[in-house]
This record gives sequence, structure tokens and C-alpha cells, in this order.
Amino acid sequence: GNSVTQMEGPVTLSEEAFLTINCTYTATGYPSLFWYVQYPGEGLQLLLKATKADDKGSNKGFEATYRKETTSFHLEKGSVQVSDSAVYFCALRRGGSQGNLIFGKGTKLSVKP
Amino acid sequence: GAVVSQHPSWVICKSGTSVKIECRSLDFQATTMFWYRQFPKQSLMLMATSNEGSKATYEQGVEKDKFLINHASLTLSTLTVTSAHPEDSSFYICSASRIHGTGTWDYGYTFGSGTRLTVV
Repeated sequence: GNSVTQMEGPVTLSEEAFLTINCTYTATGYPSLFWYVQYPGEGLQLLLKATKADDKGSNKGFEATYRKETTSFHLEKGSVQVSDSAVYFCALRRGGSQGNLIFGKGTKLSVKP
Repeated sequence: GAVVSQHPSWVICKSGTSVKIECRSLDFQATTMFWYRQFPKQSLMLMATSNEGSKATYEQGVEKDKFLINHASLTLSTLTVTSAHPEDSSFYICSASRIHGTGTWDYGYTFGSGTRLTVV
């Protein structure tokens, strides 16, 4: 079946450090892939997405590339800020239009000044 | 941008009572609404999918008689937790699938801010 596996946290970094959060997926067909961010006390917000192989999603300095050969969609940012502290969820869209999202367990990121 | 308003943001209720959670899409039509439950330090688990004007489709293991979902209009979906018990305490989140005026889907899902339910 379809599933998402992402690295377990928490991840603690110093400001301006490089961030990588690994995400791999198992899916039939060609899913769309997403990263969502959940700030403390808030709902999920779409961070970036990629809808086909080799697509790169990017937003707010974050990037992730859809790698079909390795079934991965790792999230990266070159220089994190304290304001990036949040929980990050990798997700895939189950087949069919408007299919629901299947989420990884989330990775909590804490950035220290 | 697209906004989903979810209310209440938190609620405390007594065991055995019912609680209704509302999700409204404020500036777009939500033909499909997803309801998730999030346990502490865990991912979001899909509970059910509702389409406007039809019965909700529940995921395996989710009691449809306990978690009543109504999606009566393109802008409103409700989740009612009936006869709540302490084990129902959780964070509930709705998510709406956006449809443009052209009828196309833009891969957008807009999430509500969630409802923290505590049953005592």
C-alpha cells in the first residue's frame, strides 16, 4: 500500500545551520508529494509540492526534489532560522483526483539562536 | 487565499456528551472534506472523507456511528463526536480540497487550525 516514512525527530539545530529531513515513500503509480509545516498551536500549511518525477518544489528557502529512482522527497534548507521551528510532515496524495493525503509521522525541528 | 475556519479551537466536555466541530471554507467551494485525527507525537490519521451531498466514507476502524460527519453544503462540513469518552480526546483537523471556478483541482488542500478535544 501507500506509505510515507520520514526521519524521526526531534531535530535540534543552531541558527544558520543546514537542514535535511529525509522522506521516502511507497506508492503505486505516480503520486504527488508534499511537505507541510505545523507551527505551534496552528494547523498545517503547505510548504511545497512536486507532482512528477524530477520536479523540485521550493518555498521560503526550503527545497525538495521528487526522486522516483530512490522514492525520496528529502526536505532541505541551507540556513535555518529560529522561526523555522515547527513540525514538518511529508505526505503523498493517494491516487485519483482529490485523493486524500497520507502523512509521515512528522519531524519536530527546533532551531536555537 | 483559501481559508478554512475550524471551530471550536478547543473544547472540554464531560464523558457521555456529544461535541460538534465545524469546518467552513470561507472563500472557495470545498467539494471534498477530509477529517483527520492527530495523536500526540504522531502523524495525522485519516478518519473519513466527505463529499458534499453524499454520505461520508470512513476509514477502516473508525466508528461511523460515533463520529458523525455531515457535509450539507459546499462550504460547511461538521464532525460530531457522540457519547464522547476520554479515549476520544485528541486533536481533530479538517482539510478541504479546493476547486476552482473552472472545475479544476489545483492540488490544493487547505487545513483548518484544528480542534483540541478533551473529554473528562
